[in-house]
Amino acid sequence: AQSVTQLDSHVSVSEGTPVLLRCNYSSSYSPSLFWYVQHPNKGLQLLLKYTSAATLVKGINGFEAEFKKSETSFHLTKPSAHMSDAAEYFCVVSDLRNAGNMLTFGGGTRLMVKP
Amino acid sequence: NAGVTQTPKFQVLKTGQSMTLQCAQDMNHEYMSWYRQDPGMGLRLIHYSVGAGITDQGEVPNGYNVSRSTTEDFPLRLLSAAPSQTSVYFCASRGGGAAETQYFGPGTRLLVL
Repeated sequence: AQSVTQLDSHVSVSEGTPVLLRCNYSSSYSPSLFWYVQHPNKGLQLLLKYTSAATLVKGINGFEAEFKKSETSFHLTKPSAHMSDAAEYFCVVSDLRNAGNMLTFGGGTRLMVKP
Repeated sequence: NAGVTQTPKFQVLKTGQSMTLQCAQDMNHEYMSWYRQDPGMGLRLIHYSVGAGITDQGEVPNGYNVSRSTTEDFPLRLLSAAPSQTSVYFCASRGGGAAETQYFGPGTRLLVL
């Protein structure tokens, strides 16, 4: 079975400071890992994904994440937060064994950006 | 290319009523799925389909029914609505394998009174 834990339900940063959103996963097989962002009253947009290529993955809007197998982590970072980054972020795992399209979502981290 | 579309955007039901949430995609994706989003719980899979005529249950299937008669459409039916089904519902699709990007619709906000 696969599972995802997002370690912080809320993160607050000041504009221009770094962002760190933490995610730990559990998967029996080689996982694919994703980060999605959801702005208020909107659908989900893919930020980035890891699929067993480079362990450091760059995404849109300056975000990146590093896959660390030894720590079973896939933390999302950004060097400098913008006000437009305020949203909810979801870490997601998909087991490559799972042809049935099963994504497992973390509980989400709400990012607040202060001016 | 509209991607994944959902209708309606918002619906209010009374307990015991039935309704169908519509989902369509124009990307010729084999895989489609329905999720519900509740505060603090992320998205949970209700039902999914790996192709026309093939559906299966996800994590929280009770009270919901699906069918997949075409590649494009994947409607979700609430058989007898309950207040516990108040949620935001997202339809998603992807092509290829589990590593492929999943595309989400804009969501349907459902309130059951």
